[in-house]
This record gives sequence, C-alpha cells and structure tokens, in this order.
Amino acid sequence: GQQVMQIPQYQHVQEGEDFTTYCNSSTTLSNIQWYKQRPGGHPVFLIQLVKSGEVKKQKRLTFQFGEAKKNSSLHITATQTTDVGTYFCAGLGGYGQNFVFGPGTRLSVLP
Amino acid sequence: NAGVTQTPKFRVLKTGQSMTLLCAQDMNHEYMYWYRQDPGMGLRLIHYSVGEGTTAKGEVPDGYNVSRLKKQNFLLGLESAAPSQTSVYFCASSYDPADSNQPQHFGDGTRLSIL
Repeated sequence: GQQVMQIPQYQHVQEGEDFTTYCNSSTTLSNIQWYKQRPGGHPVFLIQLVKSGEVKKQKRLTFQFGEAKKNSSLHITATQTTDVGTYFCAGLGGYGQNFVFGPGTRLSVLP
Repeated sequence: NAGVTQTPKFRVLKTGQSMTLLCAQDMNHEYMYWYRQDPGMGLRLIHYSVGEGTTAKGEVPDGYNVSRLKKQNFLLGLESAAPSQTSVYFCASSYDPADSNQPQHFGDGTRLSIL
C-alpha cells in the first residue's frame, strides 16, 4: 500500500533560523496537503498542492511539490516561537478516496 | 460555527469494555474519517465513509466498527477494548478530497485510555 515518509522526525532550531521538512511517497500522488498540529491540539490545514513542480507561499512558509509528484517540502524562513508544532504531509493517491499521513516532523523553536 | 464535534473528550475503559465515540459535523461534508494518533506514528486511518450509509476500511480497522446512518454523524465503536487501543482518536470531515483545495476539518480529539 501507499506509504508516506517524512524527515526529520524532530528539529530543534533557534528562533530566526530556517526550517525544512521533507515528505516522500512510495507512489505517485494526485495531490498533497500539509497540516500543522500544535501541542495538545488537532491538525489544521495549511495548504494543498496539485500540480507537478508547484510552489506556493504563505508569508514565511514555502511549499513545493516535486516534478514526479512523489515528494514535497515545507520551508519556514526565520522561524518564530509561534511556529512550534508538528507538521504533517498527507498524500492522496491517484485513485484514492483518503489521504495517507506521514509521521510528522516536530519543530521546537528556542527563543 | 461548531465544525466537527467529538464526544467524549476523555474516557478511561477497562479491558473488555465497549464504547462508542461520536462525531458530528455541520458542514454538509460527504466524507468523514476516523484516525488514531500514537506518539511518533502520525495519523493512521481506521475507517472512513464517502457518504451516508457507506463505510470503508482504512489502514488499521481491526477491533473497530463504524456506522454512518446520518450524513452528519460518524460513529466509531470498540466492541471489546484492548490496551493497544489506548490512543488519541480524531474525527475529520471534508468534501471530495480529489477536488481542488478540500481540506479535512478535524475535531478536538478523544483521549482514550484502556486499563
């Protein structure tokens, strides 16, 4: 079955440093979504990528979808303490009705 | 704006007991999902539904049953609880995920402990 992997599992950064998490799927995806979960909270949708090579930006966050539609990345520029949380990617297979979530990357930001 | 509401928020069960987790959404979504979240393992899909009266198995369905008798409600049942089912359970709903920009909306979760 479809598997989605993320690296790193944990990342500790100093406030102001950049952060990147990578997502890789075992199969080609029709689209990919990114979610953020604050400690003790529930996942909250950030963005969806659909097109091969697509790049989207949300303020300090940059999302990319690979050319082969099997990988994606989330880059945060100049992290802030409000960025703390776990970032999940979720991939939808070509004929799927449900997303497969990666294990997440937990980000800690030291002030 | 209630969104997705899960009840209860916390529950402690003894091994072998049964219970039902309730999920209700007021966004007229066709798709509903039940996930479990364990440390370091992300969200794993238990069962899902693509419409009223339909259910399908996800990645980890064993030990759980579901029902979608009404479009707005999705119930998750544990017939005979086991310690391995200790987890945080999230319900989510969405429109067709293949459509453009259709996020899943999550409830606040149910923290379930099986002793």
